[in-house]
Amino acid sequence: EAQVTQNPRYLITVTGKKLTVTCSQNMNHEYMSWYRQDPGLGLRQIYYSMNVEVTDKGDVPEGYKVSRKEKRNFPLILESPSPNQTSLYFCASSLSSQAETQYFGPGTRLLVL
Amino acid sequence: LAKTTQPISMDSYEGQEVNITCSHNNIATNDYITWYQQFPSQGPRFIIQGYKTKVTNEVASLFIPADRKSSTLSLPRVSLSDTAVYYCLVAGDAGKSTFGDGTTLTVKP
Repeated sequence: EAQVTQNPRYLITVTGKKLTVTCSQNMNHEYMSWYRQDPGLGLRQIYYSMNVEVTDKGDVPEGYKVSRKEKRNFPLILESPSPNQTSLYFCASSLSSQAETQYFGPGTRLLVL
Repeated sequence: LAKTTQPISMDSYEGQEVNITCSHNNIATNDYITWYQQFPSQGPRFIIQGYKTKVTNEVASLFIPADRKSSTLSLPRVSLSDTAVYYCLVAGDAGKSTFGDGTTLTVKP
């Protein structure tokens, strides 16, 4: 089944404790992206990747890192999480760009205390 | 990067046709218009995409005027299960995605 998976789905952590949210797709998509969603603010793009080893900042990249060492995986790294990063995070992928249909993962709900 | 503007919310009744309009005044020549549907605690799901004129699929129609500065998503005969948030996305192939704030559609019995 074609899908985008994220892990973990739920996470409670404390300020400053490094964490990684994994994202994997099995559709051989070139484009992958991370979004955060906060009440009343819609979806805001954090980082995106056009292909392996090619990443770029979205609208809200501060406090986040990403890597794209292989096509199927696009982990989101929070080196020193802060409470303002408490949010619902979505990973998405598409064939070649964000203009193509994006397939979204189920979301990761993060709470930073 | 095209900014989109949508109504914050809309109400409808079962069986009615619903039209949600999105404004994107600074759309670029190579931008496509895509609509997504999102239910609570789920990722957005693709509904329809178009470049100009009219596009129709099994669930919706998308109307885009000649100047492409707006687009209208049309949902025929909505049901309670169509209650969701609908997002318009205008994007080319540059990589960045900027979703609007979405329209919360509430379908009443």
